[in-house]
Amino acid sequence: EIVLTQSPGTLSLSPGERATLSCRASQSVSSYLAWYQQKPGQAPRLLIYGASSRATGIPDRFSGSGSGTDFTLTISRLEPEDFAVYYCQQYGSSPKTFGQGTKVEIK
Amino acid sequence: QVQLVQSGSELKKPGASVKVSCKASGYTFTNYPMNWVRQAPGQGLEWLGWINTNAGNPTYAQGFTGRFVFSLDTSVSTAYLQISSLKAEDTAVYYCARVSAGPFDIWGQGTMVTVSS
Repeated sequence: EIVLTQSPGTLSLSPGERATLSCRASQSVSSYLAWYQQKPGQAPRLLIYGASSRATGIPDRFSGSGSGTDFTLTISRLEPEDFAVYYCQQYGSSPKTFGQGTKVEIK
Repeated sequence: QVQLVQSGSELKKPGASVKVSCKASGYTFTNYPMNWVRQAPGQGLEWLGWINTNAGNPTYAQGFTGRFVFSLDTSVSTAYLQISSLKAEDTAVYYCARVSAGPFDIWGQGTMVTVSS
C-alpha cells in the first residue's frame, strides 16, 4: 500500500497570502496524483488531477506540481472561500490511498 | 447536470445492517466506475473499494471484505453499499464517488451512518 504523507498538518495564513501544501508518497505514483478540497459538512471536491491539471471550473489560483514521490499544491492568493481541508490521493495503484489532510485556516 | 444523490442519514444498533443508495443522473451510469469512501467523525478519507458499473464486479479494499457489499441496479442508475453486523466504529459519513479516468470527479453528498445502542 502506498502511504501519502501531507505537510504541514495545519497552515495558518491570511487572505491574499500564498499557500504551499506538500504531499509525499512512500513510492512512486508517477503523475497519478489528485488534490481535493473539503469544507465542513460538504463532500470533497476535485481540484487537481494528473498532478498538475485543473479540474473543470477550478480557478487558476490553484496549481499543482510534482511527479514520482513529491507533489505540491499551491494557492497563489488565498480567497476567503479557500479556507478548508485539502487531501491528496494517489489513484495509480490499488488501494487508492489518501493523505491525512492539511487544514488551511485563517490566521 | 451530472450528480450523485445519496440516501438519508441512518441510526442503527450494533449488529444491524444498513443499505446506502447512490443515484446517478446526467450521464450514462454504466460508463463510469463507482467508488465508495468513508470518513469517520473528525477524521480523513478512507477508500472502501469500487464496483465496475458495466460488468457489476466489485473490488474491496483490505479490511472491507465480508461485511461490506457493493451492488447495482442499472435500471435506475443506482449503486448500493450494504454493511452488515454494524459496529460502533462503522460510524462515519459514507460517500459514493464517480471515477473519470482515475480521479474521483463527482461525489455524492454523503450519508451519515451512526451505530449506537
